[in-house]
Parts: sequence; C-alpha cells; structure tokens
Amino acid sequence: GAVVSQHPSWVICKSGTSVKIECRSLDFQATTMFWYRQFPKQSLMLMATSNEGSKATYEQGVEKDKFLINHASLTLSTLTVTSAHPEDSSFYICSARDLTNTEAFFGQGTRLTVV
Amino acid sequence: QKEVEQNSGPLSVPEGAIASLNCTYSDRGSQSFFWYRQYSGKSPELIMFIYSNGDKEDGRFTAQLNKASQYVSLLIRDSQPSDSATYLCAVNSNTGGFKTIFGAGTRLFVKA
Repeated sequence: GAVVSQHPSWVICKSGTSVKIECRSLDFQATTMFWYRQFPKQSLMLMATSNEGSKATYEQGVEKDKFLINHASLTLSTLTVTSAHPEDSSFYICSARDLTNTEAFFGQGTRLTVV
Repeated sequence: QKEVEQNSGPLSVPEGAIASLNCTYSDRGSQSFFWYRQYSGKSPELIMFIYSNGDKEDGRFTAQLNKASQYVSLLIRDSQPSDSATYLCAVNSNTGGFKTIFGAGTRLFVKA
C-alpha cells in the first residue's frame, strides 16, 4: 500500500500554545486528505476533509478557527491546533487518498497531550 | 441512527476458532466498505476492502457484503492471539461530500 507519514508521533505542549501536525504522502499524490481525532477507547471521528488547493470541509461541531487545516500541495497537509487546551488532548490521525484509490492510507498518528 | 454501527464487544474467542464481526450502515448509496485493525495506541491498518455483494476471501479473512441489508461482516478463521485488537468497519459515503466514516469498533480477544 501507499505510504503516509505523519509527524510528530507525539507532542506535549502547554495550554494556550499552538501545535502543528504534518501529514505527507510519500509515494503518491494525495488529492484528498482526512483528519481524524480519536479519544481513548472511542472510534475515529472525522474532523475535516481537505482537497489540495481548496478550503477544508469541516464536520459539524468542529471549530474551523481552532483546527486550521492547510493542504497547499499534493503531498502535504497540516493541522494546526490553535490555543490548545487539555480537552484537545487526543490521538490525531491523518489519512490520504489519490484519484485512483477508494481506500485511504493512514499516517502513524500523533498523540497530543496538552498540560 | 449512527451512520456505521458495530457491536463494541468485547468479543472473546478461543485460539483456532472463527471470529465473526458485524457492521451495518445507513447510507444506502455507499459503494466501498473497509475493515481496519487497530492495536492500542496505533493507527488503523487496512485488512480488506469489498465493493460487490457476496464474499471476498484473503487468507484467513473473509469479508461479506449484503447491500440490500446494508450489512458487512468480517470472518477471521483460525483466530490467533495476535489477532486481538479493535476492528473498525469503515464506509465511503458521498453524502455531503466524499468521506470515510468509521464505526465505533469491536474489540476482539483471542484466548490462547
């Protein structure tokens, strides 16, 4: 399968600061990238969908001004958690797909802890 | 109604037995269905995908799809302790834009 690299794999930050998470497709052009959040023992909740060069589409209840998504190239999307608070602590996972595949390939995930 | 529903489990089976995992979905227009396995603290990994009604086999895994009943299942034959994980059913939906929706997952324990 295709390779999606997510960085960092874990991060600890202070409350009120911002954190940027990168998601890169290494061997294919990711026309669409998805960002998920997963709280302990819960399923993946889709936060937003981004298409290269377009504004991200956010799911209901997800604050677009708090979770900034940029998909400026076909191989890179970033999620910035602005003014992070302890309740934002979670496992954030990106996935990416290209035009030829219906399945999306997942990054390794980022464990965010806000203290 | 949740878009993708799974029994949360846990489902416990003895080593060597068949584990049966079930999933229902609400979007009748869905065309692509996936099973992912997720170990604790790790990202999901794709096990199988299925597009057409019927069975699809890959090694010890068999996916079954019934679009009329909006039902998809995963059978794991000769279950091994290493199969113990959470299994996520996922469905591609075109409602409100293309996206992949996940079920809550079923925790499987395979006892040695």
